[in-house]
Amino acid sequence: KNEVEQSPQNLTAQEGEFITINCSYSVGISALHWLQQHPGGGIVSLFMLSSGKKKHGRLIATINIQEKHSSLHITASHPRDSAVYICAPAYYSGGGADGLTFGKGTHLIIQP
Amino acid sequence: NAGVTQTPKFRVLKTGQSMTLLCAQDMNHEYMYWYRQDPGMGLRLIHYSVGEGTTAKGEVPDGYNVSRLKKQNFLLGLESAAPSQTSVYFCASSYSREAYEQYFGPGTRLTVT
Repeated sequence: KNEVEQSPQNLTAQEGEFITINCSYSVGISALHWLQQHPGGGIVSLFMLSSGKKKHGRLIATINIQEKHSSLHITASHPRDSAVYICAPAYYSGGGADGLTFGKGTHLIIQP
Repeated sequence: NAGVTQTPKFRVLKTGQSMTLLCAQDMNHEYMYWYRQDPGMGLRLIHYSVGEGTTAKGEVPDGYNVSRLKKQNFLLGLESAAPSQTSVYFCASSYSREAYEQYFGPGTRLTVT
């Protein structure tokens, strides 16, 4: 089973700050997902990446497969970025669709 | 295009009662999943399906049954609810396996007293 560690667990920052959330995992993977869970509970997929870097608006995700590490960055943070961010490495064993292991999440609060 | 929907949104059960949670998706996805989310823990996979008529166990399947009679629907059943099944349940779907984005439903908050 893939062990997933996210850091920090909680982060409070001021509007405009650059945010970094880290994710480390123990088993080699085929892809890694970053998810956002809104205060109301809904979950949306932000990124799925298997190498390098992806950018979407103010969000940037990077992954280093050799070091088993991924980061999610938020530039020019805004209060609407306040949410729980979840890392989910995906490993396909050939046994079916079950391949995601979810981190416990990073609770981010951006204060105005 | 509604995406993934779940019914009901909230439910309170007494120990021993049964219920079925319904998940529906309109994206023609092959893969569907049921997860539970508990405080202080990551999402955990209960059961999943790789296509109509097929289901498989995930990480925490005990106490639950599932069915996928139609491609767009994935049902999660609790035959005899226990307080340990108090949780928030999320359904998700994807085009293919884990290398594809998963789309989540809004969740069902279940309390078993």
